[in-house]
Amino acid sequence: QTVVTQEPSFSVSPGGTVTLTCGLNSGSVSTSSYPSWYQQTPGQAPRTLIYNTNSRSSGVPDRFSGSILGNKAALTITGAQADDESDYHCLLYLTSGIWVFGGGTKLTVL
Amino acid sequence: QVLLVESGGGLVKPGGSLRLSCAASGFTFSDNSMCWIRQVPGKGLEWISYIRSSGSGTDYSESVRGRFTVSRDNTNNLLFLQMSALKAEDTAVYYCARSRANFFFDYWGQGILVTVSS
Repeated sequence: QTVVTQEPSFSVSPGGTVTLTCGLNSGSVSTSSYPSWYQQTPGQAPRTLIYNTNSRSSGVPDRFSGSILGNKAALTITGAQADDESDYHCLLYLTSGIWVFGGGTKLTVL
Repeated sequence: QVLLVESGGGLVKPGGSLRLSCAASGFTFSDNSMCWIRQVPGKGLEWISYIRSSGSGTDYSESVRGRFTVSRDNTNNLLFLQMSALKAEDTAVYYCARSRANFFFDYWGQGILVTVSS
């Protein structure tokens, strides 16, 4: 069974930089998995941040960036702000019509 | 603007059935593939179903295959999820989302809660 791994929680100071990662239990993440990232605050629907590894969705500030780091997808927030405190979910496309989300990372800004 | 609105959720007994609907507006529905995603309260997201723009192709996660059926009405811009043989572990907020090229979801509904309990 394919499992997508994310850090359960992470903490960053206001103004700091944080990198969240998204891996696979059974191999490497590459651009062929079309990694995407979603931000979610409690009680709200997810908001699309990054798609196709490193493309920002419309309206997303450029302090959010996506990449491949080693064998994982990564979401980097540069200059973290208080309202970046959210859950962050990564999504990988595995094969025709099949997607798998990671467990999500709860980011605290303090 | 793009709007997706889910309806049809509620409380259902284990073993029961429920049909969710997702009303789409603000884009050409028949040109877009769609998905259903769910989230157990306090937990992560789980992709559960996909349907091609024409409705001719569908896919499901292992957790719902054989019990859930996705369909669409391109005339009335509606997406459906027929859920049967429901279990307590199907309790979740269910989201419909538009699927895009590059295999991501760009617009999401607000979600609808389904509770499976006796």
